[in-house]
Amino acid sequence: GDSVTQMEGPVTLSEEAFLTINCTYTATGYPSLFWYVQYPGEGLQLLLKATKADDKGSNKGFEATYRKETTSFHLEKGSVQVSDSAVYFCALSDRGAQKLVFGQGTRLTINP
Amino acid sequence: DTGVSQDPRHKITKRGQNVTFRCDPISEHNRLYWYRQTLGQGPEFLTYFQNEAQLEKSRLLSNRFSAERPKGSFSTLEIQRTEQGDSAMYLCASSILYTTNTGELFFGEGSRLTVL
Repeated sequence: GDSVTQMEGPVTLSEEAFLTINCTYTATGYPSLFWYVQYPGEGLQLLLKATKADDKGSNKGFEATYRKETTSFHLEKGSVQVSDSAVYFCALSDRGAQKLVFGQGTRLTINP
Repeated sequence: DTGVSQDPRHKITKRGQNVTFRCDPISEHNRLYWYRQTLGQGPEFLTYFQNEAQLEKSRLLSNRFSAERPKGSFSTLEIQRTEQGDSAMYLCASSILYTTNTGELFFGEGSRLTVL
């Protein structure tokens, strides 16, 4: 079945550092890909998405590119802030039921 | 607030008791999903509805679990004879079905179950 694998956390960085969180997927079809974020005490929120190969999703300074040849959707940000501290989930959605399949999450902590 | 709401936010129960969670989706959304999230893991799909029809159930959903969406609006998730392994966060999400839908789900804040 479909699956998502994320780099293991936790990840701790200093403010203004460069961030990469790796995500690879296995899917039988052509899924849509997502990054969701969960801030402390809050529900999951969509951060960005890409629906086809070579699409780049971006939001709040975060970017991820849908790479079909490497089945990857790595999350990047050039300069992180303390407010980016959260748990980040990579996910894919099949085109039928459109249920999301999540990775295990990566906890990110940014120190001032 | 017009987001997805879940109730109760936290439930503590003794093993063997029944519990029920309620989810109110965004009003115009016709799809509703239940997920379970355990500590340090990503959410796992349990089941989903399109309007009042339950279209898919995960193998994770044992026969002690039942979900309903009787009028295609709110949904309930009942767990009978709870076990300690049922302790988790139960997440509800909703979406609206368009032919061009890319699968974005809107999540509630979850209902945390603790089974003693």
